[in-house]
Amino acid sequence: NAGVTQTPKFQVLKTGQSMTLQCAQDMNHNSMYWYRQDPGMGLRLIYYSASEGTTDKGEVPNGYNVSRLNKREFSLRLESAAPSQTSVYFCASSGWVDMGNTIYFGEGSWLTVV
Amino acid sequence: AQKVTQAQTEISVVEKEDVTLDCVYETRDTTYYLFWYKQPPSGELVFLIRRNSFDEQNEISGRYSWNFQKSTSSFNFTITASQVVDSAVYFCALSEAYSGNYGQNFVFGPGTRLSVLP
Repeated sequence: NAGVTQTPKFQVLKTGQSMTLQCAQDMNHNSMYWYRQDPGMGLRLIYYSASEGTTDKGEVPNGYNVSRLNKREFSLRLESAAPSQTSVYFCASSGWVDMGNTIYFGEGSWLTVV
Repeated sequence: AQKVTQAQTEISVVEKEDVTLDCVYETRDTTYYLFWYKQPPSGELVFLIRRNSFDEQNEISGRYSWNFQKSTSSFNFTITASQVVDSAVYFCALSEAYSGNYGQNFVFGPGTRLSVLP
């Protein structure tokens, strides 16, 4: 049961470098999300994709771009990394299960920008 | 607007004690879903339970139980005979079924950090 898979799990970047976080889900869900979680904090939505072909900004989109490559894959790109983007990033997907919508998360990607 | 409040920031208990994590929500929708997630020290977010608004039956799963009360807009989580492995941050969440912003309709509380001491 893969569920939501995201890579890489750990990454260290220098300020100004770019990188892409990859995410794939095998649950045939329509919606996918990227969240960030800072130490001791809750989850903040960066971007989401309600369905294939659409993306929308969440609460904290600045400094990020996303691509919904197909129904399975949703990537998050940092074009010019900044120390403020040091965080744990979670990809998630949601779908209709047992008469309700449920969101499932990947294992997280720990990103440090130095 | 929807909102989830977890007033308990941190709780410490000694192993085998019972502990209840509080969750209070706000929503204007008549159909909605409530969730609990566990985030252990390893960092992943683990889905524990979803409760639909039209089903107020309480649920028990082993040492875990959930009390859903619409009258008080609460969805509390009780761990009976707590164990060290229960140490984690627990998040309560809400999703409205007919939110206009479909993709943003999951709202998470700030989490409660539970420490179970041996």
